[in-house]
Amino acid sequence: GDSVTQMEGPVTLSEEACLTINCTYTATGYPSLFWYVQYPGEGLQLLLKATKADDKGSNKGFEATYRKETTSFHLEKGSVQVSDSAVYFCALSENTGGFKTIFGAGTRLFVKA
Amino acid sequence: DARVTQTPRHKVTEMGQEVTMRCQPILGHNTVFWYRQTMMQGLELLAYFRNRAPLDDSGMPKDRFSAEMPDATLATLKIQPSEPRDSAVYFCASVGGQAYNEQFFGPGTRLTVL
Repeated sequence: GDSVTQMEGPVTLSEEACLTINCTYTATGYPSLFWYVQYPGEGLQLLLKATKADDKGSNKGFEATYRKETTSFHLEKGSVQVSDSAVYFCALSENTGGFKTIFGAGTRLFVKA
Repeated sequence: DARVTQTPRHKVTEMGQEVTMRCQPILGHNTVFWYRQTMMQGLELLAYFRNRAPLDDSGMPKDRFSAEMPDATLATLKIQPSEPRDSAVYFCASVGGQAYNEQFFGPGTRLTVL
């Protein structure tokens, strides 16, 4: 079955450092890929998405590129801020109309001032 | 600003009591999911509905959990009887409209069973 594997956390960075959170997936079809973010005390919210190979999703300075050849969707940001401290979830959803989404385990990010 | 709402936000109860959690999906969204989040297990899918009909509830302990959608604007998750191991944050999410495949999460219900 479909699955998502992302790097374990926590990840601790200083403000303005570069961020990469690795994510790889296994899917039988051609899924859409997502990064969701969860701030303390809140539900998950969509950060960015990519619906087909080579698409790049971007939002709030974060980027991720859909790499079909390596089945990866790594999250990157060039300069993190304290306000980026949160849990980040990589996810996939098959484009068959079912809307069911497979989530990774989540990676907690701490950014120090 | 359309959003998913959940009530109550916090619930503390004693073991053996019935717990009911409610979710109002975004108007027009026809697919509703229930998740449970704990530190140990992470985010687990419990059940989901399409057009109010259950599509998959294989993630839910059948002996004590039940999920329903009495109408298109209300989804409920019940636990009877509750146990301390049910302590978790329960999220509802809805999908539909033009945001194909994007899940919109509610703020969650934090349940503590003593």
